[in-house]
Amino acid sequence: GDSVTQMEGPVTLSEEAFLTINCTYTATGYPSLFWYVQYPGEGLQLLLKATKADDKGSNKGFEATYRKETTSFHLEKGSVQVSDSAVYFCALSPQGGSNYKLTFGKGTLLTVNP
Amino acid sequence: SQTIHQWPATLVQPVGSPLSLECTVEGTSNPNLYWYRQAAGRGLQLLFYSVGIGQISSEVPQNLSASRPQDRQFILSSKKLLLSDSGFYLCAWRAGSSGTYEQYFGPGTRLTVT
Repeated sequence: GDSVTQMEGPVTLSEEAFLTINCTYTATGYPSLFWYVQYPGEGLQLLLKATKADDKGSNKGFEATYRKETTSFHLEKGSVQVSDSAVYFCALSPQGGSNYKLTFGKGTLLTVNP
Repeated sequence: SQTIHQWPATLVQPVGSPLSLECTVEGTSNPNLYWYRQAAGRGLQLLFYSVGIGQISSEVPQNLSASRPQDRQFILSSKKLLLSDSGFYLCAWRAGSSGTYEQYFGPGTRLTVT
């Protein structure tokens, strides 16, 4: 079945450091890929998405590129801020979305210190 | 624009008491609806999903149930709560008939069973 593997962390960085959170997936065909962010005590927010190979999703300084050859969708940000402290989830929807569900990774806790 | 509401925001209930959590979506028609639970950590567990009124799919056998009495209303219930039902309950929706497969989450309900 489909699966998503992401580094579990926790990841602790200083403000303005470079961030990478690795995400790899297992799925047939060309799934849609997503990154969600969850701030403390809140629901998940869609951060960015990519729906086909080589697409780059971007939002709020975060980027992730859909790499079919390595089945990866790593999240990056050039300079993190304290306000980026949150849990980040990688997720996929199967090609065509016919099973109605998302498969999530286990989440990566990011803490950014001033 | 679409909005998703959940209530209550927090709930403290004794073991053996009933439960009713409500989720409503505004600004869209015929959405797919989902209930997730996040217990003692970051992982998401899909509990139920619905693709239409009265149509419920259960992902995990347990003492919880779900109902969808109206197109944009999704209810999570239990007749007798267990300690293990404590957690953060998230409702989500997805467009029912479009080419996009991302889900959008509500603010969540924090349930503590004592």
